[in-house]
Amino acid sequence: NAGVTQTPKFRVLKTGQSMTLLCAQDMNHEYMYWYRQDPGMGLRLIHYSVGEGTTAKGEVPDGYNVSRLKKQNFLLGLESAAPSQTSVYFCASSKTSGGAEEQFFGPGTRLTVL
Amino acid sequence: DAKTTQPTSRDCAEGRAANLPCNHSTISGNEYVYWYRQIHSQGPQYIIHGLKNNETNEMASLIITEDRKSSTLILPHATLRDTAVYYCIVALMNTGFQKLVFGTGTRLLVSP
Repeated sequence: NAGVTQTPKFRVLKTGQSMTLLCAQDMNHEYMYWYRQDPGMGLRLIHYSVGEGTTAKGEVPDGYNVSRLKKQNFLLGLESAAPSQTSVYFCASSKTSGGAEEQFFGPGTRLTVL
Repeated sequence: DAKTTQPTSRDCAEGRAANLPCNHSTISGNEYVYWYRQIHSQGPQYIIHGLKNNETNEMASLIITEDRKSSTLILPHATLRDTAVYYCIVALMNTGFQKLVFGTGTRLLVSP
């Protein structure tokens, strides 16, 4: 199993440009998440999904949109990129359970907005 | 969600036990204690979690005090590859969804 993969690994955008980050998981997990990590800080939750066709806002959702059309994929979109969105973006997934389940993280996408 | 307090950094000699403390004095009865780590530039990696009892797995041990207001992660024989930022997280289970709030963690440096 590849686990959680993210595409692309690196990207440089100009202010105002748009882009989509792709997250894919092959573990049949129900839950998927998008986080951002700024230098010297912990991860902050942007959006999450508890199943195919559902999405919800996290801690810092402004400026981002997401879609979960297929269970294995979770897309993060930036409609009009801003320098404040320069960050490392991590996707994660976890399986459905009534108990505590670990989140599996992808390798990250490093985004720079000029 | 309860907040956690961790030391900024800890040093450990290779082969020795690394003890990483965490305070979570406002934890509620149905909140779990999780530990994740992040090796430089990589995605975080789950280590262990617990509710009330001490837990052990192949990576580490988690010791939770009886009043649950603090815990300690123990890496029994630290190696150079254990150098990472370690996050202690308290999370409420809400119908299966985990809301993990990452702080700034403890930077563990394992030296030869």
